[in-house]
Parts: sequence; C-alpha cells; structure tokens
Amino acid sequence: EVQLVESGGDLVQPGRSLRLSCTTSGFSFSDYAMSWVRQARGKGLEWVGFIRSKAYGGTTEYAASMKGRFIISRDDSKNIAYLQVNSLKSEDTAVYFCALGGNVLDYWGQGTLVTVSS
Amino acid sequence: EIVMTQSPATLSVSPGERATLSCRASQSVSSNLAWYQQKPGQAPRLLMYGASTRATGIPARFSGSGSGTEFTLTISSLQSEDFALYYCQQYNNWPPWTFGQGTKVEIK
Repeated sequence: EVQLVESGGDLVQPGRSLRLSCTTSGFSFSDYAMSWVRQARGKGLEWVGFIRSKAYGGTTEYAASMKGRFIISRDDSKNIAYLQVNSLKSEDTAVYFCALGGNVLDYWGQGTLVTVSS
Repeated sequence: EIVMTQSPATLSVSPGERATLSCRASQSVSSNLAWYQQKPGQAPRLLMYGASTRATGIPARFSGSGSGTEFTLTISSLQSEDFALYYCQQYNNWPPWTFGQGTKVEIK
C-alpha cells in the first residue's frame, strides 16, 4: 500500500524557515518524481514544485511564484522528500501536501499545516 | 501560465442523477488533463488522467472526455460518497502545472 506522511508543519513567525518532510512507503521511491502542492484554508490547490528521480537527473522545478524561497530535495536512502521554505510570509499559510508524481499526482499525503503569524 | 476555469462553481444534484462538470483551459493542453476529488479534511484523490483514463480503483461511473481546451467529467449516477470538490489540472505546459478553482458537487 502506498503511503505518504507529511510532517514538520508548525506555527512560525514571518521571516523564519521551516523544513517539511514527506515520509513514504509502499513503492520504489527512488524511481519516482515527487511533488509538493499547497492549499490555503478554503482555497484551491497550488502547485509548489517537484523533484525528478535520480534517473532523470534529480532536478527540481518550481512555480514561478515559489522560486527562490522554496527548495525541494530528496533522500532516496530514507524514502523521504523535503520541502524547505525560507523567509516565510503570512501568505504561505496553508496545508502542504506531498504527492507521488511529477505531473499526474497518483497518491497524496494527508498534508501538514503551516501557519505563519507573529 | 495556463488558466483553468471550472464550471459551475457549485452543482446541486440528487443521488442517482448524472453530474456533468466542465473545465476549460486558456490555451490548448492537448489531452494532458487530470481530475481529482477532494472531500473535506482529506487529501485529493486522482480520478482521471490523460483526460479520459480512469485511475486505479476508480469506479466506471466516472468518465472523462475532451481535448485541447474543453474537458468534461461525468458522474453517471451519483452515489453518496461522490459529493465532494472536484479539481481539474493541466500538465501540458510548465511552469507551472495549474489547477482549476474547483466544482463543489452537493446534494440537492
């Protein structure tokens, strides 16, 4: 069974950084791209970016509005994907989902809540 | 950036009836279109990709059609578990992949 579990969400002050984790099981993690998508309360889905598998260079792509402050990485030895968000702003407040895939998102985690507030 | 527009925003349907959801792209996305279902407090679930291919485990009452800029998700006979939010998403032009704003299917 494919499982994705996000963690690391928290209440943080503006300007701080946060690293979210996506711990996976039930599939060959190293073979797949992984994505991050966020959803502000009561709003729609917004793609943050994705990281390709090592076979495709392990490179990352980000939505234009996310470039510079968001960093996606992966640890294939631990089957974990990460999302680092720097210089957090109030508008980054959202549930952050990780998902299996780089374009079609086959499976999703339950999300982790990031609240940015002083 | 490709803008995805879904209509209607809310669809009121009685159980057992057909529901038809629309998704329009601001430019052609070929057949690179997916549909997701999201229930309150839950993660989205993939329903359809390639505009018309059902994902694993998705019942046959869900069907998708369209290409280019106009797409439709049809639920042939609504079951109680189908009342939810539905999002379309294009994966033809990056950056970024974009979602529609969603259609809420509610009980009439």
